[in-house]
Amino acid sequence: QVQLQESGPGLVKPSETLSLTCVVSGDSISSYYWNWVRQPPGKGLEWVGYIYNNDGGTNHNPSLKSRVTMSLDTSKNHFSLKLTSVTAADTAVYYCAGSLRDGYDLGQFVSWGQGTLVTVSS
Amino acid sequence: DIQMTQSPSSLSASVGDRVTITCRSSQSTNRYLNWYQQKPGKAPKLLIYAASRLQSGVPSRFSGSGFGTDFTLTISSLQPEDFAVYYCQQSYSPPWTFGQGTKVDIK
Repeated sequence: QVQLQESGPGLVKPSETLSLTCVVSGDSISSYYWNWVRQPPGKGLEWVGYIYNNDGGTNHNPSLKSRVTMSLDTSKNHFSLKLTSVTAADTAVYYCAGSLRDGYDLGQFVSWGQGTLVTVSS
Repeated sequence: DIQMTQSPSSLSASVGDRVTITCRSSQSTNRYLNWYQQKPGKAPKLLIYAASRLQSGVPSRFSGSGFGTDFTLTISSLQPEDFAVYYCQQSYSPPWTFGQGTKVDIK
């Protein structure tokens, strides 16, 4: 089964850009939708967005407006998230997760990284 | 956006109890409904997908049912390792959305 590992700065200043990378191992990067999900401390889960390798298509949560950019580097087997103009409300544990949509697979998040806490503070 | 509402928000139960958690969506999600378990400090873990299909490696005491807007997660005999927070999630129409979670703790 695919394994995922997030990395990136744990502290970002307000108004700056949050940048995270997720390294994929154990399976082909081409088979999945690659998602970001976040969880503010003590709260529930919020889907941030996905990038799909087969066509490079992306989709993100409209609640984040146009602040989200996602990219995929198949040569390095990783995908990335950039979230611009961050505020304290973006403080959360950020998870990367792989999902499948084919046959009986209806978009469930089958594999998750361990999560990385990003704090927005000056 | 499709709103997902779980009930109850929390429950207390004993080892061996049968536990049922419900999830209702604001519009039909067909069978595109998934359940996750999350323990403190850990990533969520997929339990059930496509409303009723058991993820590989998940104990058979977990089961799911439902279609359309009403879904249920059942734990047939609660074990000590099952005390956790459970989330439903729809993958029918983006943005994918989660329920607010149900915390299962020890009575």
